[in-house]
Amino acid sequence: DGGITQSPKYLFRKEGQNVTLSCEQNLNHDAMYWYRQDPGQGLRLIYYSQIVNDFQKGDIAEGYSVSREKKESFPLTVTSAQKNPTAFYLCASSIGRVEQFFGPGTRLTVL
Amino acid sequence: QKEVEQDPGPLSVPEGAIVSLNCTYSNSAFQYFMWYRQYSRKGPELLMYTYSSGNKEDGRFTAQVDKSSKYISLFIRDSQPSDSATYLCAMRETGANNLFFGTGTRLTVIP
Repeated sequence: DGGITQSPKYLFRKEGQNVTLSCEQNLNHDAMYWYRQDPGQGLRLIYYSQIVNDFQKGDIAEGYSVSREKKESFPLTVTSAQKNPTAFYLCASSIGRVEQFFGPGTRLTVL
Repeated sequence: QKEVEQDPGPLSVPEGAIVSLNCTYSNSAFQYFMWYRQYSRKGPELLMYTYSSGNKEDGRFTAQVDKSSKYISLFIRDSQPSDSATYLCAMRETGANNLFFGTGTRLTVIP
């Protein structure tokens, strides 16, 4: 089955820790994205990548980092510099810029 | 002022009703308009995608774009309990990577 997978589904982090969220796609899409979803605020773009080894900051990149070493993979690291990391994180991919397809999400909670 | 405004609801309707969901926006450069459906604790799935003004129909779903009023709508005919979800509008400019999302409208269809 083609699609986007995210792991883990739930993640708990202690304050001061870095954590990495996984995103993998087998759709052969060039572009990949990370969004954060908070209640009442909709989705906000953290980072995006249009090709391997290249990525761009979105609207809320502070406290996050990404890598794009393979076309299929776009992991997101939530660093200790992110002051309010508790949220639902969504990865998406697309051919070009149109019609982004989303993964099932990772819910991160800071303890 | 947010780029995209969407009434968060919640909206409750009886089964079989016609549902109207709406978004307004402020950026006249938006050209691509999308509607996503998101079930609880899941990633959004793309329902409808339109370019510029006009209508698009797909089964029980109709998307309308009125660029002169900066207003988009999604109509659901013969609503079903399985339509109960949060509906997100999204839009972007030509050539841009960033999608701007509404906050979502939570819909419940009562059997």
